[in-house]
Amino acid sequence: DTAVSQTPKYLVTQMGNDKSIKCEQNLGHDTMYWYKQDSKKFLKIMFSYNNKELIINETVPNRFSPKSPDKAHLNLHINSLELGDSAVYFCASSQQGQGDEQYFGPGTRLTVT
Amino acid sequence: GNSVTQMEGPVTLSEEAFLTINCTYTATGYPSLFWYVQYPGEGLQLLLKATKADDKGSNKGFEATYRKETTSFHLEKGSVQVSDSAVYFCALKYSNYQLIWGAGTKLIIKP
Repeated sequence: DTAVSQTPKYLVTQMGNDKSIKCEQNLGHDTMYWYKQDSKKFLKIMFSYNNKELIINETVPNRFSPKSPDKAHLNLHINSLELGDSAVYFCASSQQGQGDEQYFGPGTRLTVT
Repeated sequence: GNSVTQMEGPVTLSEEAFLTINCTYTATGYPSLFWYVQYPGEGLQLLLKATKADDKGSNKGFEATYRKETTSFHLEKGSVQVSDSAVYFCALKYSNYQLIWGAGTKLIIKP
């Protein structure tokens, strides 16, 4: 069973479109994250939710909106996509008080043309 | 503020060579330190960690020692394999919910 899963794995779309990426974790963790990884592999935290509450909201364009319908899911919606949004987006989860390890999903490669 | 600095890559080695990837940090107090590895086409996974000064983390033949005197957490392996080719990230615990990440070091092992 996959611990942290993301869909889709690849997403190719045109500028100006709106798209969503979904994430689910079956680890029973209370905290979930979205990261953006650029072409140089630099990893940037975007958002984090703990028990469905937004706790980290880094400086990202407000075209990006996370939604956590329950503790096991954290989705990322992106409006009006731009070329610079092309990257790999990773979802991750962790459990407070259990060693601080973050478990990552396989990533979603977003290409905006 | 808190930060993590890793040696720039790519690091290219031959199989069975000795590996060191340098990581230094700036932090308030003594946060937990981590090494994560990202194999091609995959997400990151925890490789090893150390939670206090002088701790040594180890896994899969990799080791790193938490050195507060030099504020370092260098990753080492005695004999690398082609399968170790990946991107390695050093990180420190900033809060209950956040890690500060290094820029990543790409490792290429040639047969």
